[in-house]
Amino acid sequence: NAGVMQNPRHLVRRRGQEARLRCSPMKGHSHVYWYRQLPEEGLKFMVYLQKENIIDESGMPKERFSAEFPKEGPSILRIQQVVRGDSAAYFCASSPPWENPNGYTFGSGTRLTVV
Amino acid sequence: AQSVTQLDSQVPVFEEAPVELRCNYSSSVSVYLFWYVQYPNQGLQLLLKYLSGSTLVKGINGFEAEFNKSQTSFHLRKPSVHISDTAEYFCAVSPPLTDSWGKLQFGAGTQVVVTP
Repeated sequence: NAGVMQNPRHLVRRRGQEARLRCSPMKGHSHVYWYRQLPEEGLKFMVYLQKENIIDESGMPKERFSAEFPKEGPSILRIQQVVRGDSAAYFCASSPPWENPNGYTFGSGTRLTVV
Repeated sequence: AQSVTQLDSQVPVFEEAPVELRCNYSSSVSVYLFWYVQYPNQGLQLLLKYLSGSTLVKGINGFEAEFNKSQTSFHLRKPSVHISDTAEYFCAVSPPLTDSWGKLQFGAGTQVVVTP
């Protein structure tokens, strides 16, 4: 049973480009969460998704950021027109349905560098 | 709303010595509590969790934590550390079963540096 898969592991983008980060949850996990870790800081919640549904996006910046979790395929975190301040590690986590509170499984993250 | 405070940003410790990492939380409702470890350039790995029941929780790699409701604390301990325990440790809380139960609130982290 593969863990949470994130790709790419490292992503370099120039200012103004788009960044697409992918997350494939563990088998049987229908909930996906995205977190951002800025340098020297803890993880901050961004968005919580279920298949084809955004449950909680209270941590998402109002502009340039979007997330989806389609019926088929991985969850995508999309950052348009990246700026230097977007440089961070982005972690995805997945969990089983909420009736089973066994906690998260995290992916290894995507480290975005904006130059 | 919940918040998490990790009282030490960095903890130096000698190999085979004990270590305690402090975590305090605030919440108006009961919470679930977690400790995660992050090795350099890697993702987070769950060390242990408290959901209910016994307040002393044992986790992987010889770590344990004690939930103290009156002091709203969830300190992490290991009686004898190894060099390989050098990592960043994060305390986290989440509300109990709700639509967003899985939304974790993390502390700022504690960097543990183990030296020979």
